Amino acid sequence: DTEVTQTPKHLVMGMTNKKSLKCEQHMGHRAMYWYKQKAKKPPELMFVYSYEKLSINESVPSRFSPECPNSSLLNLHLHALQPEDSALYLCASSQVIGTGNAEQYFGPGTRLTVT
Amino acid sequence: QQQVKQSPQSLIVQKGGISIINCAYENTAFDYFPWYQQFPGKGPALLIAIRPDVSEKKEGRFTISFNKSAKQFSLHIMDSQPGDSATYFCAVSGFKAAGNKLTFGGGTRVLVKP
Repeated sequence: DTEVTQTPKHLVMGMTNKKSLKCEQHMGHRAMYWYKQKAKKPPELMFVYSYEKLSINESVPSRFSPECPNSSLLNLHLHALQPEDSALYLCASSQVIGTGNAEQYFGPGTRLTVT
Repeated sequence: QQQVKQSPQSLIVQKGGISIINCAYENTAFDYFPWYQQFPGKGPALLIAIRPDVSEKKEGRFTISFNKSAKQFSLHIMDSQPGDSATYFCAVSGFKAAGNKLTFGGGTRVLVKP
């Protein structure tokens, strides 16, 4: 099973709202990722978690706050977003970083619209 | 600085034809080269991947050709089908280069005409 699930599928929020995106995988992967994808563009890495610890933050604004409660779950907390943050937010997971097994499996994404 | 250059941006091919997409990279520390297929409104799906110790890998109708000295790799889709119409992204990664971080090419939109 190579499934990564994400909820919700669609989210519309105002600039003053607080919301969270959720991601779950049951492949035993110990690395999880958040990507942002704008229309007709490739995914851009935002955060990487390895063994539930944040290992990479690609200079993402603080209005995006990641959280990894356990090895299967990854959250992205959103607060005071801007309209330009509207995008498809993708979660991915992989085996432990550095093992040489680098296959990343993506979820279906959450389509976020900020009004 | 664009680490992965992908071409062409778009491609139209007749059913049964061959689709060829090329990628070039710069950093020799990369040691993992996957291709992803993405349909509209969906997440990218891992299609096929190669490591630099082999020059070619084939899975069904999909083949990766890898040229280490030229720092280039390509995806060939044989006998293209309308269901192959999607956006294809090459990517590069390697644990020596910021641990498993995937850097994507700009993408190629492939349209297979029946």
